[in-house]
Formats: sequence, structure tokens, C-alpha cells
Amino acid sequence: GGIITQTPKFLIGQEGQKLTLKCQQNFNHDTMYWYRQDSGKGLRLIYYSITENDLQKGDLSEGYDASREKKSSFSLTVTSAQKNEMAVFLCASSPGSTGQLYFGEGSKLTVL
Amino acid sequence: GEQVEQRPPHLSVREGDSAIIICTYTDSATAYFSWYKQEAGAGLQLLMSVLSNVDRKEEQGLTVLLNKKDKRLSLNLTAAHPGDSAVYFCAVRAGGSALGRLHFGAGTQLIVIP
Repeated sequence: GGIITQTPKFLIGQEGQKLTLKCQQNFNHDTMYWYRQDSGKGLRLIYYSITENDLQKGDLSEGYDASREKKSSFSLTVTSAQKNEMAVFLCASSPGSTGQLYFGEGSKLTVL
Repeated sequence: GEQVEQRPPHLSVREGDSAIIICTYTDSATAYFSWYKQEAGAGLQLLMSVLSNVDRKEEQGLTVLLNKKDKRLSLNLTAAHPGDSAVYFCAVRAGGSALGRLHFGAGTQLIVIP
């Protein structure tokens, strides 16, 4: 079995600050995703990547950057944190087009 | 684009009772259907998935029903127990669309009362 590790688990930043979340997977999966989870709402796709150095925008990419430095890692940057961005950010990976996603435990962002 | 509605947002049942969660979707090209479970403080875990050629699938106390005519997907937990308390999400994907891209429902918070 494999695991997805998200760091940090909790991230506190100031409004306007640039903040980065990291995700590592050892499944050797091709595709990785970043989702945002707001309370009472479904998951919204921010960015995904189908292979190393690939980057695809999701439905909520404005205000975020992402980087797929290598196959096993995918990072997400909040370019200028806003208070309405406080949410849980979930990283996931999948072995191609099967649709089955494997999720990390999430990173909770708080903006002061 | 695809719109997924999930209901109810909150559901409480007694231990041993069944719990039913329903999702409706809008895109008739939707070809992959799945249910995920999220326990407190954890990521989502896949429970079951079906393709569009399957109407019913049962597995370990869970039943997934797919009604393509009504564009409705349901998850039935028969004989729920306290360990089933979690948030449940449906997730669907259109065949041939963006690779592996899923559209999620808003989630159902299930509480099973002992």
C-alpha cells in the first residue's frame, strides 16, 4: 500500500501572505490533484497534474499556483492569502483515468 | 458543466436502521459513479464505484443504485452502526472528459446513534 502525506497539517498565515502547501505520494501514481473543501460544500478542484511538470487548471485556480516538481510531489501556493480562503485543502492522487482517488488527510488553512 | 446535488445534508439514524443518501447529476454523458467516506480529521476514502453499465452493486452492507433515466445515484447503508458515522460524498465523472476529473456532491453528515 501507499500513502499521501500533506504538510503542514495546520497552516496559519497573515492576510496577503504567500503560503505553500506540500504533498508527497509513494503510490507512483501519474495524476495528482489539489482540492479545496469548505464547510458544507463539496470539493472544488484547484489544480491537477497528469504527469511530472504538467499543470492543469481546475475550477478554482485563481489566486493559486501549483508545481509538480517530480512525479511524487505536488505543491500548492496561495499567492495572497485572504480571510475567505480559510478551508481544508486536500491533496489526492490517482493511477491515471480510473477515477479512483486516494486522498491525504488534509491541510487546514487559517488566515488572521 | 456537470452539476451534482446531494441530499440530505444531515442524516441521523439509529443503530441497525438503514441510511439512504441520494445524488442527482445533470450530464447524460456521466459514466463513472463513486461514493467516498470521510471520517473526522481524515481524507476521503473510496467506498464503492460503478460504471454506467451497472444498475446495482452490493458490497459489505452497502448498496449503490444507479438510475440513468432519472440521473440519480443512491447509497444505502443497511443496518448502520456507529462506526459508519462520517461524511459521505458522491463523485461522478463523464466518460472521455478531463482525465480523472471528478465532480463531487456537497456531502452528507451521517450520525448513527447507538
